[in-house]
Amino acid sequence: AQTVTQSQPEMSVQEAETVTLSCTYDTSESDYYLFWYKQPPSRQMILVIRQEAYKQQNATENRFSVNFQKAAKSFSLKISDSQLGDAAMYFCAYRTFRVRNSGYALNFGKGTSLLVTP
Amino acid sequence: AAGVIQSPRHLIKEKRETATLKCYPIPRHDTVYWYQQGPGQDPQFLISFYEKMQSDKGSIPDRFSAQQFSDYHSELNMSSLELGDSALYFCASLRGFGTDTQYFGPGTRLTVL
Repeated sequence: AQTVTQSQPEMSVQEAETVTLSCTYDTSESDYYLFWYKQPPSRQMILVIRQEAYKQQNATENRFSVNFQKAAKSFSLKISDSQLGDAAMYFCAYRTFRVRNSGYALNFGKGTSLLVTP
Repeated sequence: AAGVIQSPRHLIKEKRETATLKCYPIPRHDTVYWYQQGPGQDPQFLISFYEKMQSDKGSIPDRFSAQQFSDYHSELNMSSLELGDSALYFCASLRGFGTDTQYFGPGTRLTVL
């Protein structure tokens, strides 16, 4: 089974600054999807960004971008111009790509709690 | 845009009671995933359905069962509740079994006393 590791239980950033959240994963597959989900205090799981492993270009969504290093099995999330509303738990998740009968569930890391200070 | 609906949003039960959680996927979504998130934990996959058939099974206890109905809504039935079942239960939906992005509902917070 694939494992996802988020080595930073907590991170802190000042408003308007940039922060990077780390994620590494272990897989023997060549094709897969990676996601970052945000879980604010409301506990809603909100998709932040997704990356297909077969794409070399790093995904970007407004202030959110990823640094995808396939060989290193690393998938970090960069948040630019941090805002108070970015404060949340961030989960990195893995999903297989291959077409098969099962195994499409998301495999989550333990999460990183991001604190944004004024 | 329409989102995933879960009901109830909060549920309080006593030990050994039963609970039923409901999930209404986004319109035209035919696949539902259930996840359990304990306090301070990451979400853990329980079970999934595609076109009203169970498609995958994760760490779902034998005391739990689930099904997907003809209108694609899904229900998670939990019996003989234990204190450890207290958690946030998410349902996520997507269209097509192998498509990539799962859209999560707001969750049902179950408290077992």
